[in-house]
Amino acid sequence: EAQVTQNPRYLITVTGKKLTVTCSQNMNHEYMSWYRQDPGLGLRQIYYSMNVEVTDKGDVPEGYKVSRKEKRNFPLILESPSPNQTSLYFCASSFGDRDAVGYGYTFGSGTRLTVV
Amino acid sequence: SQKIEQNSEALNIQEGKTATLTCNYTNYSPAYLQWYRQDPGRGPVFLLLIRENEKEKRKERLKVTFDTTLKQSLFHITASQPADSATYLCALDRANDMRFGAGTRLTVKP
Repeated sequence: EAQVTQNPRYLITVTGKKLTVTCSQNMNHEYMSWYRQDPGLGLRQIYYSMNVEVTDKGDVPEGYKVSRKEKRNFPLILESPSPNQTSLYFCASSFGDRDAVGYGYTFGSGTRLTVV
Repeated sequence: SQKIEQNSEALNIQEGKTATLTCNYTNYSPAYLQWYRQDPGRGPVFLLLIRENEKEKRKERLKVTFDTTLKQSLFHITASQPADSATYLCALDRANDMRFGAGTRLTVKP
C-alpha cells in the first residue's frame, strides 16, 4: 500500500530532551515536507526537501532540524524541545512534477507531540 | 503579508444540497491551488489541483474554480452526503512553497 509512515503517533517528552520523529514513504516521491498543525493556525511548513541531500526552510523552522540522506526517509529532529513545540506534526510527500499521474501530497497519520 | 482566508470556520448544510466553500488570498501569486479533505485526527487527503490558467476543474461531485483576478477559489460539493462531513483545506502552491488555509469544517445533516 502506498503510504507515508510516521512514528511515533503520540509522544510526551520533557523540555530539552532531544527527540526524532521518523517519516518514511514508499512511493519514490522526490519531494517531502514537514508541517505542524495548531488550532486556528492551520498547517505551517517547517522544512521541505526537493530530493536527496536538498533541504530548505519553510515558514517555521526555528528549533527543528531535518536530513534527507535517502529518498524514502525524512526525519524531523528537535534538539532541545520546548513547550511551544507542542503540536500535531505531519509529514507529507509528493512527486515534484504536478503533471505526474497520481500527483498530490500524501500525508502521514500525524504525530501528536506534547512537551512538558 | 501573505494571507489565506477560508470563508468560515464552519458550514452546516442539509443532505442533497450543494456545499460551496471559499478560499481567498492576498499578496500571493500561486501557480496552482489545491484542495484537501481532513477528518478528525487524520492527515489531509488530496482532492483536486487547479492551475492558474484553468478556470474550472471537476471530479465526480466536486468542482473547483480559480479566479486569479479576484484571488479566489470556490470549492463545490454537489448532492452532498453526511459522509462529506469533514474539514476542507485550500492550499496555495507556488513551486515548493505550499501554504494552507486554516480550513472550513463542513457538516452535512441528514
